[in-house]
Amino acid sequence: DSGVTQTPKHLITATGQRVTLRCSPRSGDLSVYWYQQSLDQGLQFLIQYYNGEERAKGNILERFSAQQFPDLHSELNLSSLELGDSALYFCASSLPGEGEDYEQYFGPGTRLTVT
Amino acid sequence: GQNIDQPTEMTATEGAIVQINCTYQTSGFNGLFWYQQHAGEAPTFLSYNVLDGLEEKGRFSSFLSRSKGYSYLLLKELQMKDSASYLCAVRDGNYQLIWGAGTKLIIKP
Repeated sequence: DSGVTQTPKHLITATGQRVTLRCSPRSGDLSVYWYQQSLDQGLQFLIQYYNGEERAKGNILERFSAQQFPDLHSELNLSSLELGDSALYFCASSLPGEGEDYEQYFGPGTRLTVT
Repeated sequence: GQNIDQPTEMTATEGAIVQINCTYQTSGFNGLFWYQQHAGEAPTFLSYNVLDGLEEKGRFSSFLSRSKGYSYLLLKELQMKDSASYLCAVRDGNYQLIWGAGTKLIIKP
């Protein structure tokens, strides 16, 4: 158990809908990262937050947005869903970012199926 | 652009040794990570290299050559449970983690 929690574990929804994925980082971790992993594909970095502020952006679509709240939990919002958005969405957390050599701890993921 | 290359798939025999290579081209370098990911599960941290040389951790070892932009993960005494994908990730000059596509390792009895 990495200490990172994600809800829900599974989500099935229809095209055009909007969903929110939730992540709670390990206690004390200030950085949160979101990744998308389609079937048999590598990890695609979406976005990173550090202590409530956006730190880095990867290949995140405009239909997707995220935020990190004062209690450090984070939410990833996916809207106008398309079939191609079906994937595993991972959240990871780590200790303070720049200059620190800490590994990322991954949550169990949310499996999103768009029908 | 930034790039990390790993073989897509490798096969090895239980009890044997396998070496998974990773080459990278990034804007700056601040460390290289190896993660293991079983199908449908979250990646888990295996090793970290920031200086040249070999880091050993039980049955797993990781090597880094910064001048060659090259790393490998060495797995000894392979077990069936080692069947997984192995992900190489490099922290670039901006401390952002760049991920390789992963190497799927298949262990045969």
